[in-house]
Amino acid sequence: AQRVTQPEKLLSVFKGAPVELKCNYSYSGSPELFWYVQYSRQRLQLLLRHISRESIKGFTADLNKGETSFHLKKPFAQEEDSAMYYCALRTGANSKLTFGKGITLSVRP
Amino acid sequence: GAGVSQTPSNKVTEKGKYVELRCDPISGHTALYWYRQSLGQGPEFLIYFQGTGAADDSGLPNDRFFAVRPEGSVSTLKIQRTERGDSAVYLCASSYGGENTEAFFGQGTRLTVV
Repeated sequence: AQRVTQPEKLLSVFKGAPVELKCNYSYSGSPELFWYVQYSRQRLQLLLRHISRESIKGFTADLNKGETSFHLKKPFAQEEDSAMYYCALRTGANSKLTFGKGITLSVRP
Repeated sequence: GAGVSQTPSNKVTEKGKYVELRCDPISGHTALYWYRQSLGQGPEFLIYFQGTGAADDSGLPNDRFFAVRPEGSVSTLKIQRTERGDSAVYLCASSYGGENTEAFFGQGTRLTVV
C-alpha cells in the first residue's frame, strides 16, 4: 500500500527566508506526486505536480526516486505563502489521491 | 460553473441519526471522489465514481457509509446510525478523468455528531 509522510507539522520562517517542505513516499511502482495548498478559509487546491516540472508562485518540487522524496522549495518566502500544504500521491489515472498529514507554513513579516 | 459545491457547509446531528451530504461537481466532470478529513490529518479517500458507478469504494470504513451518483452528476454520501467518531470534514472532488487531469475540491461539509 502507498503512504505519504510529511515529517513536520509546522514550519515558521521570516519573510524572504528559504522554505523547504519535506515529503517522502512509499510505493513500489511509479507514482504521480502532487502538492496541494489550502489558504485560510479557502478550499484545497492544486499547487503543482511533478509531471509538469514547472514553478508555481515561486515554488518548485523535484521528484527524487532514489530517495522517494518530493520536497517543496521556495527560495524567498512571502507572507501570502502562509497556508496548509499537503503532499499527495496517485498511482494511476483516475485513482485516489493518498495525502500526507500536512504542514502549516507560517511566514512572519 | 462556480466550482464543486457541497451542501450543507455545516451539519450537527445526534448520535444514531442518519445524514446525507450532497456534492455538485463541475459540469462535465465524469470522475467524482469523496474524502474524509479528521482534525490534524490529511484527507482520506472514501469512494470514487466514474459516471454513475462506484469504481472504487475501498475507503468506505464500514457498511454505515454509502454513496450514490444516480445520474452521473450530483452525488450523495449517506451515513446511517452516526457515531461521534464520524465527526470530520467531508470533501468532494471532481475531474474530467483520464491522464493528467486535475481534481478540483469543494469547500467541504463539516459534520459534527453530538
